[in-house]
Amino acid sequence: AQSVAQPEDQVNVAEGNPLTVKCTYSVSGNPYLFWYVQYPNRGLQFLLKYITGDNLVKGSYGFEAEFNKSQTSFHLKKPSALVSDSALYFCAVRDDSNSGGYQKVTFGTGTKLQVIP
Amino acid sequence: DVKVTQSSRYLVKRTGEKVFLECVQDMDHENMFWYRQDPGLGLRLIYFSYDVKMKEKGDIPEGYSVSREKKERFSLILESASTNQTSMYLCASRDTRNTGELFFGEGSRLTVL
Repeated sequence: AQSVAQPEDQVNVAEGNPLTVKCTYSVSGNPYLFWYVQYPNRGLQFLLKYITGDNLVKGSYGFEAEFNKSQTSFHLKKPSALVSDSALYFCAVRDDSNSGGYQKVTFGTGTKLQVIP
Repeated sequence: DVKVTQSSRYLVKRTGEKVFLECVQDMDHENMFWYRQDPGLGLRLIYFSYDVKMKEKGDIPEGYSVSREKKERFSLILESASTNQTSMYLCASRDTRNTGELFFGEGSRLTVL
């Protein structure tokens, strides 16, 4: 069974400081990893994904994430936080070992990012 | 711009009522999904459809059914709404021809009294 853990319910960071939102995963095959952002009373928006290749993935709004296979982690990062980055962030994983049929996506429970002016 | 549209953003229903949640996508995606989102539980998959008239149960299908008569439309049905179905419902679609990030609608917040 695959799973995703986001160990922090909330992360607080001062505006202008670097931010990290943590994610670890467990899959039996190779992982496809995703980050999504959700603003209040809105749907989820795709930020970035790791499929294969370079371990550092760049995405929308200046976010990036680093895939670490040995630590089974995919932490979301940004060098300088903005107040407008305050939102709910979800990590998700898909196992590529199921080549036929539906490839299930499992979401973490979400991390609320609060950027303090 | 790609778009997934959920017809109702906010609904208030009474226990026992039949509820329809509609979702339309304009991207010609094969796969469509219904999730519910609850605080502390993340997103949980209710049902998905990998093509027209095809449907599969997700993790929490009890109390729900779905319909996919046309490729662009995926409906979630609560046959007899209960208070424990008060939640945010999110529809999503995915193109199987690429690495498959999900495209979400804005969500439908359902309150069952």
